[in-house]
Amino acid sequence: DVKVTQSSRYLVKRTGEKVFLECVQDMDHENMFWYRQDPGLGLRLIYFSYDVKMKEKGDIPEGYSVSREKKERFSLILESASTNQTSMYLCASSGWGRVTGELFFGEGSRLTVL
Amino acid sequence: AQSVTQPDIHITVSEGASLELRCNYSYGATPYLFWYVQSPGQGLQLLLKYFSGDTLVQGIKGFEAEFKRSQSSFNLRKPSVHWSDAAEYFCAVGAYTGFQKLVFGTGTRLLVSP
Repeated sequence: DVKVTQSSRYLVKRTGEKVFLECVQDMDHENMFWYRQDPGLGLRLIYFSYDVKMKEKGDIPEGYSVSREKKERFSLILESASTNQTSMYLCASSGWGRVTGELFFGEGSRLTVL
Repeated sequence: AQSVTQPDIHITVSEGASLELRCNYSYGATPYLFWYVQSPGQGLQLLLKYFSGDTLVQGIKGFEAEFKRSQSSFNLRKPSVHWSDAAEYFCAVGAYTGFQKLVFGTGTRLLVSP
């Protein structure tokens, strides 16, 4: 079975803390994505990666960075967490190269910043 | 740039009744279209997808969707709703070329009444 695993389902952090969200996929997919989900706004793309050590900004990259040192792992980093980054974060992967295809999602990481 | 509109934020349907969720997209060429479902506290699961060919596509859990180019629509339907269908539904559109990204609508929350 296809599997995208997000290591933390729930996190509570304080303003100014550095936050790491980890995502691992076991499908040997080239592409990995981080989305943010907020009520009434749907899913918005933060960053994506189409290869190891490669990254591209999505629609809302401000305040975030990413790391992809290995093909199976894609990390989202909040350098200095702020309350407006309280949200659900969804990781996804796909294996279609540069042609749009199906995304496989993890179960999400719900982050609360106090 | 592509965009997706889901005009209904909430829909309530009686169990056993039929369902139609609306999705309109904006894209210059023939799009790739998807419907995803998200159960509470979970990630997104693909229901069905349209790439080309037959404009009526069948998905999992008894869902189907029809691509209508003239109306720029990709509405999701189910003839008889079950209580377990209560969830949030997202329509998404993908670009044919370039990096693989999906743009999601804001979602429609389906409530099923007894």
